[in-house]
Amino acid sequence: GAGVSQSPSNKVTEKGKDVELRCDPISGHTALYWYRQSLGQGLEFLIYFQGNSAPDKSGLPSDRFSAERTGGSVSTLTIQRTQQEDSAVYLCASSRGARETQYFGPGTRLLVL
Amino acid sequence: ILNVEQSPQSLHVQEGDSTNFTCSFPSSNFYALHWYRWETAKSPEALFVMTLNGDEKKKGRISATLNTKEGYSYLYIKGSQPEDSATYLCAPSGGSNYKLTFGKGTLLTVNP
Repeated sequence: GAGVSQSPSNKVTEKGKDVELRCDPISGHTALYWYRQSLGQGLEFLIYFQGNSAPDKSGLPSDRFSAERTGGSVSTLTIQRTQQEDSAVYLCASSRGARETQYFGPGTRLLVL
Repeated sequence: ILNVEQSPQSLHVQEGDSTNFTCSFPSSNFYALHWYRWETAKSPEALFVMTLNGDEKKKGRISATLNTKEGYSYLYIKGSQPEDSATYLCAPSGGSNYKLTFGKGTLLTVNP
């Protein structure tokens, strides 16, 4: 079956612009996660959605970052007024439930000039 | 925040060599340990999920062991092949069960 997909695969933007990253999870997966990997760092947890529960936003680095998940499926991660330190690979993952194996998408490589 | 250490940071081996690397993590409040393989330009691929002390999992030429009391896991690759070249990531989950904390990974390069 189809895996997790993300778009765009690459994004170059200018400092101060807003960007929107999209994630399509595996059909039927109730849990969805966003992570990012900055240069030289490990994958960093950003946000977690589980069903209709309130998301765990504890990993979002600043209030410029927000995410939503519409209809329990597609999710968008929005970064407002991008900064150079936002440059990273943003990965989305989904799982059947909270304790299940997380399946990752190919990521969006964001470069802020 | 969990402190997850992976070593070595990078490793070059010849085709046919066997190799292993280490993941260290806090032993308190442990729930599960995940291993992933991440090839360039691809999605991270789940290899193993381990929960019990002394667990050993195997998938083809790759195996992993887990020691939850001392907080470490080893990943072994027997007879490395060029297609094994990737970054290998470990990620423990703690009390929350879903939030994975990743190490920086071990970059393995297998030379033909």
